[in-house]
Amino acid sequence: GESVGLHLPTLSVQEGDNSIINCAYSNSASDYFIWYKQESGKGPQFIIDIRSNMDKRQGQRVTVLLNKTVKHLSLQIAATQPGDSAVYFCADSDDYKLSFGAGTTVTVRA
Amino acid sequence: AAGVIQSPRHLIKEKRETATLKCYPIPRHDTVYWYQQGPGQDPQFLISFYEKMQSDKGSIPDRFSAQQFSDYHSELNMSSLELGDSALYFCASSSFGGRYNEQFFGPGTRLTVL
Repeated sequence: GESVGLHLPTLSVQEGDNSIINCAYSNSASDYFIWYKQESGKGPQFIIDIRSNMDKRQGQRVTVLLNKTVKHLSLQIAATQPGDSAVYFCADSDDYKLSFGAGTTVTVRA
Repeated sequence: AAGVIQSPRHLIKEKRETATLKCYPIPRHDTVYWYQQGPGQDPQFLISFYEKMQSDKGSIPDRFSAQQFSDYHSELNMSSLELGDSALYFCASSSFGGRYNEQFFGPGTRLTVL
């Protein structure tokens, strides 16, 4: 299937600031979207998901926004902390398997 | 809480050898997914199983095969290994085979082919 891609490969953010990670998808049939965080040497860790019948979903310090009109997905992290440094992937699904986009490496500056 | 277990964590093989990767899903999870992640790349879906039956197939080479056993653990068998097979191999599991059920990833097996 078509892949989900991120706009920026890297993002540097000051500790305490908010982070915004963007993702554009192209598969119109995708109806389920997930953000994963991957730390070095570890498997992807679920952050938050959203279905296509929603345009916003909030978790603890994270918010996912979905704009189906322009096929855009974003992850907002509030008050970014050093522990948020990782690679972030968006993934989409129109069946059971996940299609990952290229990751964004987030580096938090002290 | 119990997580997905993968073994071995690291594996070094020579070209043309075979390798077997094992995945033990979270208890009561009946669906297993395999992903391959090359250096600096995003994970690519290989294959999945639901209730011991293959449920979906992605970009898995013909040299690879996999199965899910009665206890729901899964094994990925890789033959005629090539240098390009060097990657992280992740297993993920979910419950009830539901589309919107979260996939929990294991720590991965790092395969190095020399």
